[in-house]
Amino acid sequence: RKEVEQDPGPFNVPEGATVAFNCTYSNSASQSFFWYRQDCRKEPKLLMSVYSSGNEDGRFTAQLNRASQYISLLIRDSKLSDSATYLCVVNEGNQFYFGTGTSLTVIP
Amino acid sequence: SAVISQKPSRDICQRGTSLTIQCQVDSQVTMMFWYRQQPGQSLTLIATANQGSEATYESGFVIDKFPISRPNLTFSTLTVSNMSPEDSSIYLCSVVDRVGTDTQYFGPGTRLTVL
Repeated sequence: RKEVEQDPGPFNVPEGATVAFNCTYSNSASQSFFWYRQDCRKEPKLLMSVYSSGNEDGRFTAQLNRASQYISLLIRDSKLSDSATYLCVVNEGNQFYFGTGTSLTVIP
Repeated sequence: SAVISQKPSRDICQRGTSLTIQCQVDSQVTMMFWYRQQPGQSLTLIATANQGSEATYESGFVIDKFPISRPNLTFSTLTVSNMSPEDSSIYLCSVVDRVGTDTQYFGPGTRLTVL
């Protein structure tokens, strides 16, 4: 069983839509959680950390559900520039586990 | 966050040769990692580069194939030895830049093609 699982998509949504991604993790002792964004042929860049209380940054909202062992990312009012692959990352001590990424394309 | 550079940014190499990739950080960092990302796939951790001691390799990766150096807290190298076409990939350096934080930042990557 993989440590971190994501729906690979692709998600194709129109501009202005709201889209949500989920990511499940297998180790209940996982300590911290992140969403990264990766554009084609570029390195992953930190989008946001995910806190137990949930956190919001503009159009982006991240949630953590420890009981069900998943994290989510909600993007509101999608922009064309949101098109990318979104990677879920889970930290267990000094080990980082990456999901396979969810591909998002925002269509005009 | 730390600013990370990698050299070379890309290379095309012949089978059987070796390539050394450099990772330079603009500040001292606690942890440095080397990843590989093959086309259309997520990142796979190769090893943790330990300052002043041997790197810690993940399952499936060995020191003879991927020797790593980390002479100080701002610099590391990864060598891909005796290359084959299966080694064609993007190689990424990442760092955790402060004690007490576990956020990783990535270098721009090295795109390697082996013919």
